[in-house]
Amino acid sequence: GEDVEQSLFLSVREGDSSVINCTYTDSSSTYLYWYKQEPGAGLQLLTYIFSNMDMKQDQRLTVLLNKKDKHLSLRIADTQTGDSAIYFCAETVGGKLIFGQGTELSVKP
Amino acid sequence: SAVISQKPSRDICQRGTSLTIQCQVDSQVTMMFWYRQQPGQSLTLIATANQGSEATYESGFVIDKFPISRPNLTFSTLTVSNMSPEDSSIYLCSGSSGGEQFFGPGTRLTVL
Repeated sequence: GEDVEQSLFLSVREGDSSVINCTYTDSSSTYLYWYKQEPGAGLQLLTYIFSNMDMKQDQRLTVLLNKKDKHLSLRIADTQTGDSAIYFCAETVGGKLIFGQGTELSVKP
Repeated sequence: SAVISQKPSRDICQRGTSLTIQCQVDSQVTMMFWYRQQPGQSLTLIATANQGSEATYESGFVIDKFPISRPNLTFSTLTVSNMSPEDSSIYLCSGSSGGEQFFGPGTRLTVL
């Protein structure tokens, strides 16, 4: 079935690295996404990775993809208080996005 | 990247009434979608808005309750019909082109 799993909470100290993990189910997903949602706001597309890639880096963000295990991770280097938000991973199934439950990242000063 | 706007940004409505939400994209997108995000929950796809034809609805969502229009490549509307308090939610419009899928800011609906 279609089920994207994420842990619900992550707490880190400012300046540390954050790693948010996600497992997905559809091995035919062409793209996998990470979105950020701040309180009361819409979804901001952070980054996405094509399924034939293992890694993508964009400034402080690093996405790792393990297709064998259907595991996706988002690493945020030098985490700041402004990174506090809910982070959603999503896979594509038939052109549609299937979202995980979201991971609430709390950054403590 | 595409910029997506929605109107209204929020509304409070009475039970039994209907609300139409508008979605405008600043550039042509291949596909447009409507999602619902219930309080404290993740996003659930309501339907794919097809240009010039009937929308494609996901399981649990029907056209009579959520009629959708998409007259061109940059505009779509979603109507929430005969509302009940269970329809209180954030409704988000999305557009995709190539590998990127962008979201509007959402419409926060409260039904009394």
